[in-house]
This record gives sequence, structure tokens and C-alpha cells, in this order.
Amino acid sequence: NAGVTQTPKFQVLKTGQSMTLQCAQDMNHEYMSWYRQDPGMGLRLIHYSVGAGITDQGEVPNGYNVSRSTTEDFPLRLLSAAPSQTSVYFCASSSGLGDTQYFGPGTRLTVL
Amino acid sequence: GESVGLHLPTLSVQEGDNSIINCAYSNSASDYFIWYKQESGKGPQFIIDIRSNMDKRQGQRVTVLLNKTVKHLSLQIAATQPGDSAVYFCAEIPWLSGGSYIPTFGRGTSLIVHP
Repeated sequence: NAGVTQTPKFQVLKTGQSMTLQCAQDMNHEYMSWYRQDPGMGLRLIHYSVGAGITDQGEVPNGYNVSRSTTEDFPLRLLSAAPSQTSVYFCASSSGLGDTQYFGPGTRLTVL
Repeated sequence: GESVGLHLPTLSVQEGDNSIINCAYSNSASDYFIWYKQESGKGPQFIIDIRSNMDKRQGQRVTVLLNKTVKHLSLQIAATQPGDSAVYFCAEIPWLSGGSYIPTFGRGTSLIVHP
């Protein structure tokens, strides 16, 4: 199993640009989530999904959209990037709510 | 280096010593707790977990202790090795029958092991 994979590893955007961070898992996990990690802070939940076709907001959802058309994939979209979205983004999956989450390697995003 | 390590509490130990990393949690309704290890430039990696109906759980070289009275969690690493150098943080997961599901993660502690 590859586990949780994320692409790209690094990305630089200009303010106002849009992009999609990709996340995929091959463990047949129902639950997937997106976090951002900022220096000196704990992970913060952006959006999560409990299964294909179902998504919900986390702690810091503004400026981000998600969709879950398949069990395997859970892309995160930035519609109009802002410098405040400069962060490291992690995707995670688990077999169910409240179960151990497995994290991807992260995407480092810089918005100029 | 990994910017997430800046401004974090730091624990420096000698190789072979035992390490104790602490975490205070806030939600008395939290039912499930996890310790993660994060090496520089990598995603968090599961180490050990514990449910609220337990006060101690042991793994390979690691032990988690849970004190619900004072809402405190600790991670003990025995015979610490240079490969244990990383940021360690805890996560608390609320009891699912109440409220929305938003886990809370600690800021973490940077463990530095000197050979």
C-alpha cells in the first residue's frame, strides 16, 4: 500500500491564483480530512469527509473547497489564494470517525 | 529545516535516557487520545493511542499515561535514541455522540537526542 499520497510537494502561487491540492489513499478508508500546519501551532482541521459524496467544514474552512466523488480521492481547492494561506497542508485518512488517522507527506504552499 | 519546530517547547536528552513528554488537554468529553511523531519535512506518524477508559498503555519502548482528573497525557520513551529526535504532539478526539467532530492537536514538543 502507498498509504496517503499528496501532490504537489511544493507550490508557489501569486495572490488571487487558484489551484487544487491532490490527496489519494489506497486503504479503502471512509474518513478523509485536510489540515493546515502553521509554525508553532497545532494542526487545524479545514474540511473533512465521512464518505463519498459527503463533506463537512472543520475549524478553518474559509477560502477552501472540497469534494469527494470517490472513496480514494479528496482534493482541496483554493479558489483565490491569499498570503494567509501560506502553510503546510496535510491530508489524512482513517477507517472511521475517531479512529487513528494516517497522514500524507504534506504540501508546502507559499502565496506571494 | 522544518518551520513547524520553531517556538516549540524543547526537551534535550542524552542517548539512552528515558524521555517524558507532557500534554494538557482541554475537553473533558474527549474520549480518545493519540500521540504523533513528526520528523522534519514529513507528515505526522502515529505512535500510540489510548481510550478514556484506560489510564496506561504500553507499546514498544513507549508508554502513554492518561490522568483524566487533571486532564493530562504523557508519553514516555524508554532508552531514547537519536532516531527519536522529532516533534511530538498529542491529539484529543471528542466523544462522537456529542457535537461535531473536530479533533484538537497540541502544538508539540521538540525532542532532541544527543549521541
